[in-house]
Formats: sequence, C-alpha cells, structure tokens
Amino acid sequence: DGGITQSPKYLFRKEGQNVTLSCEQNLNHDAMYWYRQDPGQGLRLIYYSQIVNDFQKGDIAEGYSVSREKKESFPLTVTSAQKNPTAFYLCASSVQTETNYGYTFGSGTRLTVV
Amino acid sequence: GNSVTQMEGPVTLSEEAFLTINCTYTATGYPSLFWYVQYPGEGLQLLLKATKADDKGSNKGFEATYRKETTSFHLEKGSVQVSDSAVYFCALSSKGSARQLTFGSGTQLTVLP
Repeated sequence: DGGITQSPKYLFRKEGQNVTLSCEQNLNHDAMYWYRQDPGQGLRLIYYSQIVNDFQKGDIAEGYSVSREKKESFPLTVTSAQKNPTAFYLCASSVQTETNYGYTFGSGTRLTVV
Repeated sequence: GNSVTQMEGPVTLSEEAFLTINCTYTATGYPSLFWYVQYPGEGLQLLLKATKADDKGSNKGFEATYRKETTSFHLEKGSVQVSDSAVYFCALSSKGSARQLTFGSGTQLTVLP
C-alpha cells in the first residue's frame, strides 16, 4: 500500500544538537511539505518542495533546513539555531498538478528537547 | 490571500448529540474545500472534500456542503460517538497556490458517553 512514513515517532534532542526527521513517500507525489504543530494550535508551514532539488521556505523556516535529493524523500533537520524545537512535526505530500486531492499526511514525529 | 476561519473550540457534546463545526473561507477563484481529522498523537486524515459549489462531501456520517454564496463549508454529523473525539481542520486548496492547502486553526471535539 502506498503511503507516507515518518520516523522516528519520538525523538529526544539535547540542547545544541542538530537532529534530522525522516519523511519518505511511495505515492509518486511531486510535492512534499513539513508542518509544525504546537499543543492546541494549528499547523504552521516550515518548508515545502514542488520538485526534486528545489524547495521554498514557509512561514517559520528559521532554525530548520531541508533537502530534496530524491522524489521520495524530504528530510527535515532541526538545527541548534531553533530555540524552541519541542513540537509535533508533520510531513505531507500531494499531487502537484491536481488540487482536488488534498494532502496525504504521515503519522508525525514528536520532538522533545531534554 | 487565502484564509480559513473555524469556530473556536473546544466543543464538548454528549453521545448522540448533533454536531456543527463552522468554517468560512476567503479565496480567489473557485477553491476545493476539505475537512481533515486528527486523532490524538496521529497525523491528519482526510475526512471529506468538495470541489465545486453546491457539492456535498460525506464520509462516516459526517457531511459538509460547499456554499459559495456564503463562502462556507460547515461540518455536520447527526449523532456523534465517543470515537469521534478528535481535532477537526477545515482547509482550502486553490489553483496557482504553490503551497496548495491553507488550514484553519482546528477545533477540538470531545464527546462524552
């Protein structure tokens, strides 16, 4: 079955460390997205990518970096420059040229700074 | 720009009560409209969608009708169950927007037995 996989489900980071969250999809979707969700709040867009080797900043890109070397993969790195990284991170993908299908979401990664 | 406004929660209902979660939008052109549901600790799942005016999306007893004249897409269910407890997000998608989906802030629903 096609889907989108995020790993790990839970991640702990020490202050000053970089960590990378994995996102892989086998849906042959062109576009991929990273969102941050804080408790009781909506989704905030971090980065998005419409094609391989290209990506754009979203609303809260500071302290984060991404790469899109393969169509299937869109990893997110939370750098030490992100001062408040504890949150729930969601990856999503979509068929770029068709707006009617919406997004497919992964099950999320919960990142905690210890 | 595009925007989605949802009724603020949290919403608490008794089992078998009628549910309405209001959603209004601002967009250029003719967007597609979606409701997503998020169960605790999980990602978002598509609940239903409507792609043109007067379309009704439905799934698992939930319904929403695309009302262009009132720019609304309210979510309804005639009889909620405890298992419907979740956060519900309204969203829109419009052509020409590289970011595709614009989300509302989410509404927390709790159904009590």
